[in-house]
Amino acid sequence: DAGVTQSPTHLIKTRGQQVTLRCSPKSGHDTVSWYQQALGQGPQFIFQYYEEEERQRGNFPDRFSGHQFPNYSSELNVNALLLGDSALYLCASKPPGLAGGYEQFFGPGTRLTVL
Amino acid sequence: DAKTTQPPSMDCAEGRAANLPCNHSTISGNEYVYWYRQIHSQGPQYIIHGLKNNETNEMASLIITEDRKSSTLILPHATLRDTAVYYCIVTNAGGTSYGKLTFGQGTILTVHP
Repeated sequence: DAGVTQSPTHLIKTRGQQVTLRCSPKSGHDTVSWYQQALGQGPQFIFQYYEEEERQRGNFPDRFSGHQFPNYSSELNVNALLLGDSALYLCASKPPGLAGGYEQFFGPGTRLTVL
Repeated sequence: DAKTTQPPSMDCAEGRAANLPCNHSTISGNEYVYWYRQIHSQGPQYIIHGLKNNETNEMASLIITEDRKSSTLILPHATLRDTAVYYCIVTNAGGTSYGKLTFGQGTILTVHP
């Protein structure tokens, strides 16, 4: 089992451009969450996808959007990039079901640099 | 989700137990305590979670006070590879939070030779 995978590993963009990041969840997981981690800070929740719908969203502008595909993989899109969008973007997946406590699995992240 | 308070940094000698405290005085009855850690430039790694009772797994032990207002993560025999940022998170695993994790600043644990 490859666990959660993300691509690309690193990305450099310029202000105003658009970017798409990709995530494949752990096998058997159906829910994908995205987090942004600025340097020296803890990860911040962007949104979560379940059954191809955005189920919950954090305090991020509409420039941040996403998609989930029938195979549960997900994309994060960021439009009109700002310098402040430079961060490590993390994807996490969880297994089906909501009852009780469970482990979420994180990918290695995509390092986005906006120049 | 309940707010957590952790010391910004701690040191530990290799081979000794590392005890990382966390305060979560506003925790509600259906909220779990989770611990994750993040080794430099990697994604966070799940360590352990608990609701009321103390928990132990191959990585660590979690001690939750009877009133559930604080907890301690114990790494019984710390190694240099345990140097990382440790996050204590309180969340309702199901329900309206859907497992959203709210990370604070965490505790930077440095294990010394």
